[in-house]
Amino acid sequence: NAGVTQTPKFRILKIGQSMTLQCTQDMNHNYMYWYRQDPGMGLKLIYYSVGAGITDKGEVPNGYNVSRSTTEDFPLRLELAAPSQTSVYFCASHTSGGVTDTQYFGPGTRLTVL
Amino acid sequence: ILNVEQSPQSLHVQEGDSTNFTCSFPSSNFYALHWYRWETAKSPEALFVMTLNGDEKKKGRISATLNTKEGYSYLYIKGSQPEDSATYLCAFIDTGFQKLVFGTGTRLLVSP
Repeated sequence: NAGVTQTPKFRILKIGQSMTLQCTQDMNHNYMYWYRQDPGMGLKLIYYSVGAGITDKGEVPNGYNVSRSTTEDFPLRLELAAPSQTSVYFCASHTSGGVTDTQYFGPGTRLTVL
Repeated sequence: ILNVEQSPQSLHVQEGDSTNFTCSFPSSNFYALHWYRWETAKSPEALFVMTLNGDEKKKGRISATLNTKEGYSYLYIKGSQPEDSATYLCAFIDTGFQKLVFGTGTRLLVSP
């Protein structure tokens, strides 16, 4: 199993540009999450999904959109990039056993918006 | 807004020292607490999931305790090794939100 994979690893965007961060897991996990990690801060939940076709907002959803058309993929879309979105983004997943299941994290995408 | 605090922010110990750090969380509506180990340039890896007051978990030289009534968990590392150097994150789940709320982490550096 590759686990949770994310692409790209690094990206630099100009203000106002858009991009999609890709996340794929091959563990047949229903639950998937997007977090961002800012310096000196913990991980903040952006969006999550409990299964294909179902998504919901986390703590910091503004400026982002998600979709979940398959169990494997959970892309995160930035429509109009802003400097405040400079961060490291992590995708994670876990099984359907509930929130007491440990989460498996991807390697992260480091995004800089200039 | 749920507040999860970890202390200290950073810790520098010598190889062989034992160390511990704290995760504080709201004592009401507790559901579960996760501990993760996060090495630089890697992604977080799960250490423990704790759900019951008084829980104690152990993995090698690392162990954790949980007190849900007073809202804290301790992580202990016995005989620290340089490979233990990492950021240790705790994440709290309450019965309402049902999602992980992460602390800011404790960064541990173990010198040989």
